[in-house]
Amino acid sequence: DIVMTQTPSSQAVSAGEKVTMSCKSSQSLLYSENKKNYLAWYQQKPGQSPKLLISWASTRESGVPDRFIGSGSGTDFTLTISSVQAEDLAVYYCEQYYDTPLTFGSGTKLEIK
Amino acid sequence: QVQLKESGPGLVQPSQTLSLTCTVSGLSLTSNSVSWIRQPPGKGLEWMGVIWSNGGTDYNSAIKSRLSISRDTSKSQVFLKMNSLQTEDTAMYFCASDYSGDEYWGQGVMVTVSS
Repeated sequence: DIVMTQTPSSQAVSAGEKVTMSCKSSQSLLYSENKKNYLAWYQQKPGQSPKLLISWASTRESGVPDRFIGSGSGTDFTLTISSVQAEDLAVYYCEQYYDTPLTFGSGTKLEIK
Repeated sequence: QVQLKESGPGLVQPSQTLSLTCTVSGLSLTSNSVSWIRQPPGKGLEWMGVIWSNGGTDYNSAIKSRLSISRDTSKSQVFLKMNSLQTEDTAMYFCASDYSGDEYWGQGVMVTVSS
């Protein structure tokens, strides 16, 4: 199984600050035939179901604010929130869908100071 | 409008079998896959398995021996059955699907394994 490692486990920032969080996979998620990275980012707010923010490592889903930026390739990925808002309080998970079983990272909890 | 809704018993006794239903609307099970994901209280997400649009299934190897996913396309329902439940199976259980490029999740159903 592909192991997904997220760091940090939690992070506290003030509104308006930039935040970055990391996700590393135990094997490459880059499929050579289509040059796509099979990596997604989810946001889970307290008491809610997870919401898909980014797929293919860097493609924002419809309606996701452009302050959410996904980057990276291969085994190293980053989610950046360029200017954190109070409503971004949530746990963020990365997920690989390169192979079954699909696997998630353990999450980064974002707290607002 | 696409909707998924999980249903099932809130409490299951240890060693018993869990049966959950995911009822979908706004999409066809013969064109879209449905996955089950669970989340123990205060913990992360675990993908359990998927039933593909062609009816084939894939399961998480860690629970494969205990898990079965099936469907009734005429009722737009997907079923999860997992046997030999233990307390560590206590979790929120979600179903999710892709449709027209968007991903949809149900609200989840909380299952507690306890005597």
